[in-house]
Amino acid sequence: DIVMTQSPDSLAVSLGERATINCKSRQSVLKSSNNKNYLAWYQHKPGQPPKLLIYWASTRESGVPERFSGSGSGTDFTLTISSLQAEDVAVYYCQQYYRTPYTFGQGTKLEIK
Amino acid sequence: QVQLVESGGGVVQPGGSLRLSCAASGFTLSTFGMHWVRQAPGKGLEWVAVIWYDGDNNYNVDSVKGRFTISRDTSKNMLFLQMNSLRVEDTAVYYCARDALAPRAGFDNWGQGTLVSVSS
Repeated sequence: DIVMTQSPDSLAVSLGERATINCKSRQSVLKSSNNKNYLAWYQHKPGQPPKLLIYWASTRESGVPERFSGSGSGTDFTLTISSLQAEDVAVYYCQQYYRTPYTFGQGTKLEIK
Repeated sequence: QVQLVESGGGVVQPGGSLRLSCAASGFTLSTFGMHWVRQAPGKGLEWVAVIWYDGDNNYNVDSVKGRFTISRDTSKNMLFLQMNSLRVEDTAVYYCARDALAPRAGFDNWGQGTLVSVSS
């Protein structure tokens, strides 16, 4: 199985400041045949289902605010929220869909400082 | 619009069985891969199983192999998860989720979830 490890486990950021969440996969999720990273990011708020934010490591899902961006390749990835808003308080997960089982990171809890 | 509605959760004793359902609307199941994902209390997300658009191949995570079976009824646009030999550690909210169509990717639509509680 591809183990996904996120850091930090929790993060407190002031409103309007940048939030950065890291995700590391134990093996590469970059497929050489199409040069795509099989990595997605999700936002999960209490009482709601998870919401897809980013796929192919850096492609923003339709309707997701521009302040959310994804970067990285191979085994190291980052989700950045450029200017934190109150509604961004949630748990964020990375997920690889390179190979089944499609494993998630353990989650990063984002709070307001 | 796309909607996924799970049902069938409840309280069951260890060793028991449950069948979860996911009613899909706004799209045709036979066009999309579909997944089950679960979240145990206080824990993170765990992918459980997939059934691909052609219905011919499906995969389960090792912890449920031989006990859980994913299936679908395309005539009713319904997804199922048959869960047998349930264990306390299977207690979780179970979500069904849709696999995005290429060139997009990821799980682009999710249901609200149904709670399964395995307890004596």
